[in-house]
Amino acid sequence: DQQVKQNSPSLSVQEGRISILNCDYTNSMFDYFLWYKKYPAEGPTFLISISSIKDKNEDGRFTVFLNKSAKHLSLHIVPSQPGDSAVYFCAASARDSNYQLIWGAGTKLIIKP
Amino acid sequence: NAGVTQTPKFQVLKTGQSMTLQCAQDMNHNSMYWYRQDPGMGLRLIYYSASEGTTDKGEVPNGYNVSRLNKREFSLRLESAAPSQTSVYFCASSEFLVSDTQYFGPGTRLTVL
Repeated sequence: DQQVKQNSPSLSVQEGRISILNCDYTNSMFDYFLWYKKYPAEGPTFLISISSIKDKNEDGRFTVFLNKSAKHLSLHIVPSQPGDSAVYFCAASARDSNYQLIWGAGTKLIIKP
Repeated sequence: NAGVTQTPKFQVLKTGQSMTLQCAQDMNHNSMYWYRQDPGMGLRLIYYSASEGTTDKGEVPNGYNVSRLNKREFSLRLESAAPSQTSVYFCASSEFLVSDTQYFGPGTRLTVL
C-alpha cells in the first residue's frame, strides 16, 4: 500500500512555462514533506520542504503547496529551465515512525526548448 | 569535501554470493541510511543508524545486515545475494535523524544473476 503517490510518471513542459508536479499521501500522521531532485547516475538532492503547519513554502523559482484536507502537495517551478529536467521525488515523514522518509515513485520532468 | 561516497559503483554477483557495500561521509553527520531503489518505485529504507553505535531496521531489512563502523562509515552487507536484491543502492547521511536534509551518495548498481 503506497502511502505516498506520484501518479504522473512523466511530464513534459515548454521552457519558460510553469511546471507543476503533484503528490498525494494517505497517512494523516505525516507532518513533514520534502521534494528531492535526481539526475541520472547521481543520488537525489534536496530541493525544498514544508511542514504540516504551513500551506506554502517558497525558495526562488520553487514553491511547494500543501493541502492537508486533500492530503495533496504540489511543486511549482517557474519559469522552467532546461536544467530542471530530472526525476522529482516527493517524500514524507512522521514523528511516530521515527521520521523515516516514505518516498513516492517519482515524476520525470522533461523541459522542451 | 567529498560529501557521501559509495563503493563500488557497479557490481555483478551470482546468487548466493556475499558482498559488502561501503559508504562514508565527511560532513560529521550523526545519522546515516541505506536505501534501495527499484524501477517504478520510490526509495525504500533498508536500515538506518541514528547515531554512532546504533542501527535500526527500516522498511525492507530482510536479507541485509549493517555495521556503523564509526561516525563516518556505514556498511551494508548481503550475506547470500538473491535476484530480488538486484537494485540501485543509495547511502545517505543527515546531521540528525530529524534533519530535513539527507545527503545522498551516487549509488551502487547491483545485479544478482
